[in-house]
Amino acid sequence: DTAVSQTPKYLVTQMGNDKSIKCEQNLGHDTMYWYKQDSKKFLKIMFSYNNKELIINETVPNRFSPKSPDKAHLNLHINSLELGDSAVYFCASSQWVMGIDTGELFFGEGSRLTVL
Amino acid sequence: AQKVTQAQTEISVVEKEDVTLDCVYETRDTTYYLFWYKQPPSGELVFLIRRNSFDEQNEISGRYSWNFQKSTSSFNFTITASQVVDSAVYFCALLNTGKLIFGQGTTLQVKP
Repeated sequence: DTAVSQTPKYLVTQMGNDKSIKCEQNLGHDTMYWYKQDSKKFLKIMFSYNNKELIINETVPNRFSPKSPDKAHLNLHINSLELGDSAVYFCASSQWVMGIDTGELFFGEGSRLTVL
Repeated sequence: AQKVTQAQTEISVVEKEDVTLDCVYETRDTTYYLFWYKQPPSGELVFLIRRNSFDEQNEISGRYSWNFQKSTSSFNFTITASQVVDSAVYFCALLNTGKLIFGQGTTLQVKP
């Protein structure tokens, strides 16, 4: 059973389209994240949710909208896709212990988005 | 500013060689956590180790060892007797206010 699963694994779409990536974790963790990995392999946090509440929102264009229906799910919707959005998007989860983030992230396999 | 620097972009070694991946970090915090993650060619990110700033003891796990030195703000990773399966991108990271700040990654290629 996959701990953090994201779908789809691959997305190819045209500029201007809207797309969503779904993420689910079965680890019982409180916190979920979206990270973006660009073509140079650089990893950067985009969003973080703790128990369905947004706690980190980096300087991400508002075309990106995360949604957490419950603490096991964190979806990412992207409007009006641009060429620069092409990247691998990783979902992750972690457990907080006594109010402190352990930082031990469990990552999904990534969703490779290609915008043409 | 919080920052992680992995100066080695790519390293290539022959199997059974030892290899050290360097990581230098910057932080103003007195309490912090450092991490190493592995990203094999299949693409997933795998947690390797977490180290808190109060624990400067070196750690060994099989062929992997980590050297944490606060005096030089470094957290280096050594693979002993490297194997082809160690080929991957390795990321050092610093935990800061709930965010993992990653270094640029070091691509390790181990040739047979």
